Amino acid sequence: DAGVIQSPRHEVTEMGQEVTLRCKPISGHNSLFWYRQTMMRGLELLIYFNNNVPIDDSGMPEDRFSAKMPNASFSTLKIQPSEPRDSAVYFCASSLAPEQGLEGYTFGSGTRLTVV
Amino acid sequence: QKEVEQNSGPLSVPEGAIASLNCTYSDRGSQSFFWYRQYSGKSPELIMSIYSNGDKEDGRFTAQLNKASQYVSLLIRDSQPSDSATYLCAASGAGSYQLTFGKGTKLSVIP
Repeated sequence: DAGVIQSPRHEVTEMGQEVTLRCKPISGHNSLFWYRQTMMRGLELLIYFNNNVPIDDSGMPEDRFSAKMPNASFSTLKIQPSEPRDSAVYFCASSLAPEQGLEGYTFGSGTRLTVV
Repeated sequence: QKEVEQNSGPLSVPEGAIASLNCTYSDRGSQSFFWYRQYSGKSPELIMSIYSNGDKEDGRFTAQLNKASQYVSLLIRDSQPSDSATYLCAASGAGSYQLTFGKGTKLSVIP
């Protein structure tokens, strides 16, 4: 398996522009998570999907952030409009849960977003 | 607010020594605990999981869990320079599949 695949690896955009981050989870995993990592706040959970359904989006910071999972093999995180404070590394992770118990997540390589 | 606390370090140990990393968590209902290793500029990589009180060993790594004290630790025996990384502790919420992560402890193994 190729693991969790995220694109793009790096994104530099101007303030006010729309940004779309993409994620392909590991085949067969039924849970998908979007995290944001900064030096100050560490890893923060933004949203969690189970079987393609959003279960908890309480971590989404503002209405500017939205996430979708149209099928089991694809998810997007969109920021519109982007702001400099959105600059961070965004990780997607997937896991098998809960039928097999909670396993640790497998993380993608991340997208480093810089908003100027 | 569920919290996982770690000493940010850096923790420096000489090569061959035992590195001890500690973590406390606030949610008494947490049931699953994980240690991730994150090299600079890379993504977190799962290295250990523990669900029951006591010790769990995997090669040079030993995870320890004390639910009464809400305390998790990771011991790395015979530390190697390649172990130099940030180690993230994570805990699940009660009845939840979501993990809350600590901010990590940076470990440096000095040759």
